[in-house]
Amino acid sequence: NAGVTQTPKFQVLKTGQSMTLQCAQDMNHEYMSWYRQDPGMGLRLIHYSVGAGITDQGEVPNGYNVSRSTTEDFPLRLLSAAPSQTSVYFCASSLRTSSRGEQFFGPGTRLTVL
Amino acid sequence: KQEVTQIPAALSVPEGENLVLNCSFTDSAIYNLQWFRQDPGKGLTSLLLIQSSQREQTSGRLNASLDKSSGRSTLYIAASQPGDSATYLCAVKGSGGSNYKLTFGKGTLLTVNP
Repeated sequence: NAGVTQTPKFQVLKTGQSMTLQCAQDMNHEYMSWYRQDPGMGLRLIHYSVGAGITDQGEVPNGYNVSRSTTEDFPLRLLSAAPSQTSVYFCASSLRTSSRGEQFFGPGTRLTVL
Repeated sequence: KQEVTQIPAALSVPEGENLVLNCSFTDSAIYNLQWFRQDPGKGLTSLLLIQSSQREQTSGRLNASLDKSSGRSTLYIAASQPGDSATYLCAVKGSGGSNYKLTFGKGTLLTVNP
């Protein structure tokens, strides 16, 4: 299993540009989520999904959109990038009914918005 | 709202020393607690996961304990090595309707000096 994969690893955008951060997992996990990590703030939840076709907002959803058309993929869209969205983005997944409930994280996408 | 605090924020020890990292959380209604390791510029690696019904988990030189009623967890690292240098993150998963979400502490930056 590849686990949780994210692309791209690095990205530089100009203010106002749009882009999609890709996330995929091959573990048949129901739960998928996006976090952002900022110095001094820790990791904060952006959006999450409990299964295909179901998404909801986390703590810091403004400026981001998500969709979940398949179990495997959970892309994060920035419609109009702002410097405040400069951050490291992590995708995570877990089984919904697992007794362990362990969450697995991707390697991250480092985004800079100029 | 769940809040997770990690003390100390940074710790520097000589090689071979045993050490304890602390994590506290404000809401004891948790599903599980997970300890992660993060190397500079990298993603999160899961170290140990403790279910709410468990008191401790061990993996090699690592031992994590959980006192759910008092809202505390500790990560004990025995015979520390320079390769243990990293940031250690504690995260709790809420129970009930919040059992998808991890709330993270800000981490402890550990440096083990040769």
